[in-house]
Amino acid sequence: DAGVIQSPRHEVTEMGQEVTLRCKPISGHNSLFWYRQTMMRGLELLIYFNNNVPIDDSGMPEDRFSAKMPNASFSTLKIQPSEPRDSAVYFCASTDSTRPNNEQFFGPGTRLTVL
Amino acid sequence: AQTVTQSQPEMSVQEAETVTLSCTYDTSESDYYLFWYKQPPSRQMILVIRQEAYKQQNATENRFSVNFQKAAKSFSLKISDSQLGDAAMYFCAYRSASGAQKLVFGQGTRLTINP
Repeated sequence: DAGVIQSPRHEVTEMGQEVTLRCKPISGHNSLFWYRQTMMRGLELLIYFNNNVPIDDSGMPEDRFSAKMPNASFSTLKIQPSEPRDSAVYFCASTDSTRPNNEQFFGPGTRLTVL
Repeated sequence: AQTVTQSQPEMSVQEAETVTLSCTYDTSESDYYLFWYKQPPSRQMILVIRQEAYKQQNATENRFSVNFQKAAKSFSLKISDSQLGDAAMYFCAYRSASGAQKLVFGQGTRLTINP
């Protein structure tokens, strides 16, 4: 199994530009999570999907952030327009939530730098 | 809302010695899961150990064990025979057993292993 795949691994962009982060969950997993890691706020959930449907987006900072999951094998997190304070590591994780003792498997993360 | 607190920003231990990382949490739920994740410099999030709240027996995984005190809402991680490869950030995390599948993380503890 390839694990959770994220792309790109690193992204450097200028303020005001649109940024799209991509995630491919582990095959067979029905839940997908987007987390953000910063020095100030630590690891926090942005949004999660269950069976491709957004369940909890209360962690999405503001309207500049949007996430989609058009099918079970792909999700995107988009920031438009990007700002320097969005600089962080963004993790995607997936799990099979039908199993009570499920484990979330994390991707390698995308390090985003907004100049 | 649930919260997780790690009061030790940094810890260090001599190689081959034992170290304990602390974690406390706050919840009104009776059934939940607790996790310790390791994040080495590669930034990959790796599950170290998990504990189901309904189990009184403390979980163990090789050199890693936990001390789960449900009444005190405490969940510490003990690493025995510390190895250089154990150097990393360690995060304590909480997940509800029903409803929200998201992980709530503590602030992390940076563990240094001295040779």
